[in-house]
Amino acid sequence: QVHLVQSGAEVKKPGASVRVSCKASGYTFTAYFIHWVRQAPGQGLSWLGWIDPKSGATNVARHFQGRVTMTRDTSITTAYMEVSSLRSDDTATYYCVREIEHSGRFDPWGQGTLVTVSS
Amino acid sequence: QSVLTQPPSVSGAPGQRVTISCTGNSSNIGAGHHVHWHQQLPGTAPKPLIYGNDNRPSGVPDRFSGSKSGTSASLAITGLQAEDEADYYCQSYDYSLDAHVFGGGTKVTVL
Repeated sequence: QVHLVQSGAEVKKPGASVRVSCKASGYTFTAYFIHWVRQAPGQGLSWLGWIDPKSGATNVARHFQGRVTMTRDTSITTAYMEVSSLRSDDTATYYCVREIEHSGRFDPWGQGTLVTVSS
Repeated sequence: QSVLTQPPSVSGAPGQRVTISCTGNSSNIGAGHHVHWHQQLPGTAPKPLIYGNDNRPSGVPDRFSGSKSGTSASLAITGLQAEDEADYYCQSYDYSLDAHVFGGGTKVTVL
């Protein structure tokens, strides 16, 4: 069974950085892109970007370029997403999700990681 | 402001049929990119509901169906049940933005 398991909730101060991990299991990690999506409290879904676990190549959404970094460690089948210079409006639940066959089909989703930015 | 437009809410009585629209433009849905739908139950992560415009992942009841025409897509729920109360999001790819995009979400209420 395919699973994506994310790291636990974080509380950070404005200006700090946060790194969220996404541990993949049940499939060949390097064969599928991993995407990151966030959801502010009570709001909709917002796409952050993707990483190709095989090559390490990334594509970060324009709005987040310069603040969001995506990496991976193939030895432990884990993807990471780091947000720097945190602001209060970065408070959100961050999800990782696998893309199937470059089709835009997202399946499955991780359980989500709540990041709270507060002074 | 979401790139894909959905109604904020729809409602229906148990057993009824409801539909949710998802309107895009010539850079996303109208360019031929697939539309996918996700269901988000309260307090949980989104779950894939429809992929590739009109396909259901295994385990999704056939009460849920998707369609696409031109620059829009729709999700239909027939035989509405209380457990269908959730937020529903459409998703596609926009080539002019080089980004995967979501609708703003639609809250389904079972009366």
